[in-house]
Amino acid sequence: DAMVIQNPRYQVTQFGKPVTLSCSQTLNHNVMYWYQQKSSQAPKLLFHYYDKDFNNEADTPDNFQSRRPNTSFCFLDIRSPGLGDAAMYLCATSRVGGAVLGNEQFFGPGTRLTVL
Amino acid sequence: GQQLNQSPQSMFIQEGEDVSMNCTSSSIFNTWLWYKQDPGEGPVLLIALYKAGELTSNGRLTAQFGITRKDSFLNISASIPSDVGIYFCAGQWETSGSRLTFGEGTQLTVNP
Repeated sequence: DAMVIQNPRYQVTQFGKPVTLSCSQTLNHNVMYWYQQKSSQAPKLLFHYYDKDFNNEADTPDNFQSRRPNTSFCFLDIRSPGLGDAAMYLCATSRVGGAVLGNEQFFGPGTRLTVL
Repeated sequence: GQQLNQSPQSMFIQEGEDVSMNCTSSSIFNTWLWYKQDPGEGPVLLIALYKAGELTSNGRLTAQFGITRKDSFLNISASIPSDVGIYFCAGQWETSGSRLTFGEGTQLTVNP
């Protein structure tokens, strides 16, 4: 089945120790998104790649970076995690443009990040 | 700025009851999406709406894209325990490109 895969599902890191979360998709979608979600809140968009074009949200801290080496993979790098970065990180994909009507985003299962 | 309001924030119902939740936007949406999120999982797309007035069903779920393009509702009929979760509306404003804006969610609890 076509899907969005996130690894690992649970990640524990130490304060200040760089961490990378990964996302892959078999949907062949051209847009990939990274969201941060804290408990009982809506997902908050950090950035997205439209094809190879990187789009950062204005309020995303510089501590968060992303890479998309090819269509299928996208990575979230947190350079120096703080306690406030503990959250669920969600990857999503969508197909945008052409004859596509809307922007249905399909989410992976998420990675729960704990910062000690 | 543009705002998206979702209500109610939480609902406690008995199994078998019908449920309704809604979202209103300060600006016109091109697309309305409804998601359900279970604890520890990512949101799952339930229904997508593209046209003003569109009414779409998915099993016991029914959602409508408001005529003004600024609101949408989701109805769940004959609720069952597995309907428990957080329901999010999300939409795409005309000027937001490929971004979605999410409502704050409705936490649904179903008592057996």
